[in-house]
Amino acid sequence: IAGITQAPTSQILAAGRRMTLRCTQDMRHNAMYWYRQDLGLGLRLIHYSNTAGTTGKGEVPDGYSVSRANTDDFPLTLASAVPSQTSVYFCASSDSVGETQYFGPGTRLLVL
Amino acid sequence: GNSVTQMEGPVTLSEEAFLTINCTYTATGYPSLFWYVQYPGEGLQLLLKATKADDKGSNKGFEATYRKETTSFHLEKGSVQVSDSAVYFCALSDNYGQNFVFGPGTRLSVLP
Repeated sequence: IAGITQAPTSQILAAGRRMTLRCTQDMRHNAMYWYRQDLGLGLRLIHYSNTAGTTGKGEVPDGYSVSRANTDDFPLTLASAVPSQTSVYFCASSDSVGETQYFGPGTRLLVL
Repeated sequence: GNSVTQMEGPVTLSEEAFLTINCTYTATGYPSLFWYVQYPGEGLQLLLKATKADDKGSNKGFEATYRKETTSFHLEKGSVQVSDSAVYFCALSDNYGQNFVFGPGTRLSVLP
């Protein structure tokens, strides 16, 4: 069982480019989340999905969009990347809202 | 709103020393409380959790007791090892359909 996988592992991106970070879980969890982790700021929630077909905004949603077409996948899209989006991005899932969250290995993104 | 406060790091200890990382929270109702650990270059992993007052979570020699009277969930370990060097995050879930709230993290370095 893989748990949660994220792709790519790392990426260097030119400002203004569009980028999709992929996240897939094989635990049949209902809820999924995207966080960014920045030095000194801890983890901040970008977007979440309580169940397939629904999404919601977290603490820092601007510049990001998500979709949840099925249970397993929860891609995060940066429509036009900016340097302030340089960060480490973590996807997570939980059986239901409020339950233990399980994290992927992260995607390290550098926007130049 | 809900919040989690952790002691400032970094914390540097010698091997076999006693560890305490303080965590206090603010939340409505009766939240579930969690400690996550992040090893260098990896995603967060659940270390332990407690879902109601006076519960003690334990794992890998770490313990934390849910103290509702002091709104605390301090992490302790009797004898740390070099392999415990990581960043530790306290978190809560308020069980009212809201998502997790993470503390800022405390970096622990254990020296041989």
